[in-house]
Amino acid sequence: QQPVQSPQAVILREGEDAVINCSSSKALYSVHWYRQKHGEAPVFLMILLKGGEQKGHEKISASFNEKKQQSSLYLTASQLSYSGTYFCGTEIGNTGKLIFGQGTTLQVKP
Amino acid sequence: EAQVTQNPRYLITVTGKKLTVTCSQNMNHEYMSWYRQDPGLGLRQIYYSMNVEVTDKGDVPEGYKVSRKEKRNFPLILESPSPNQTSLYFCASSPWDRGPYGYTFGSGTRLTVV
Repeated sequence: QQPVQSPQAVILREGEDAVINCSSSKALYSVHWYRQKHGEAPVFLMILLKGGEQKGHEKISASFNEKKQQSSLYLTASQLSYSGTYFCGTEIGNTGKLIFGQGTTLQVKP
Repeated sequence: EAQVTQNPRYLITVTGKKLTVTCSQNMNHEYMSWYRQDPGLGLRQIYYSMNVEVTDKGDVPEGYKVSRKEKRNFPLILESPSPNQTSLYFCASSPWDRGPYGYTFGSGTRLTVV
């Protein structure tokens, strides 16, 4: 089951904050977040595990609500470089198999 | 440099002409996978492989074949391409057996079937 992301698109000014949500109908083992710039490959941002452990990099944070099977990505004080499409990927069980959401397009304007 | 290498980057072919898109990783990753990306649909998994000689279908496997004879290589084969397979394809790998880690994606192959 493909996870559902919201919103589909966001337009921000530099310095503003954004939240991107990812929701699944299945119990999740982990949630991944990726960013893809136009014409490029998706790049790994962060992984959140059942039990609360997080692994990631860059100045981006996220949360994982295991009871609701939801994850949120928090982009604070956005920069122009944050523009792109953000995908969540959900893993059901420790299988390594990721199912991606449809993506959220973020545009940061000067 | 640790990377996933896909070839070719761009390919235009005719309906029915067999083709292979290659994928190779130099990170000794156990897990490899193929995705296709279409506007509004996100990344959909075609096939994945947990290890050498172990492959399984993803969500959209029809019309595709894969093989995993070596750990580093995971080619995607289209035996008889059709126009609905026109898409952007990504190969990805991860060391999932060593714990939860993110995927590393290749640069993508843009395929057009006419």
